[in-house]
Amino acid sequence: SQQGEEDPQALSIQEGENATMNCSYKTSINNLQWYRQNSGRGLVHLILIRSNEREKHSGRLRVTLDTSKKSSSLLITASRAADTASYFCATDLEGAQKLVFGQGTRLTINP
Amino acid sequence: DAGITQSPRHKVTETGTPVTLRCHQTENHRYMYWYRQDPGHGLRLIHYSYGVKDTDKGEVSDGYSVSRSKTEDFLLTLESATSSQTSVYFCAISAGPGTGGKDAFGYTFGSGTRLTVV
Repeated sequence: SQQGEEDPQALSIQEGENATMNCSYKTSINNLQWYRQNSGRGLVHLILIRSNEREKHSGRLRVTLDTSKKSSSLLITASRAADTASYFCATDLEGAQKLVFGQGTRLTINP
Repeated sequence: DAGITQSPRHKVTETGTPVTLRCHQTENHRYMYWYRQDPGHGLRLIHYSYGVKDTDKGEVSDGYSVSRSKTEDFLLTLESATSSQTSVYFCAISAGPGTGGKDAFGYTFGSGTRLTVV
């Protein structure tokens, strides 16, 4: 089964609103990463949060990590049409050398 | 994406034929990965490499083999293609995994290879 599970699977909001996506995982991690994938393209790395960090910001992105609940959230503020994409969380497991991806959240920003 | 290229971009092949996909990087990164992406399954790791001639299996390695004879190239071979291997294949590179939360790097992905097995 997947290590990371995103919620919701799909999200549709109006331009200018904030979008929040959640990720839960099962085992101890070194870090958790978020990626964006536009239709027909490869994944693009957005942000990485280490296991000893609780919150991180990058532009309009805010990521939180709660290791006690084994969960993370990605907040995109003031959404734009260009933010329409699928968003994936990926966990870097302790002792592993590979990322495990969730199934993604498909975000649609309506003009 | 800059620094990583996959070839071919598209391929249609017949069941039972061998197929090789190539991933080439110019970043001199130690780690290279092959994932496949299918609807309802997200990205699943096929094989990865942590150095020249050093490879290991991922969660869906059956029917696939890999080789890495040079730092810059990581080849994925479908030994005898089946319809279940129709998918989009992504290569990714990384400078290194996290170690105790330090020195962690994100992955850079290629643009993907869309493989259809008929």
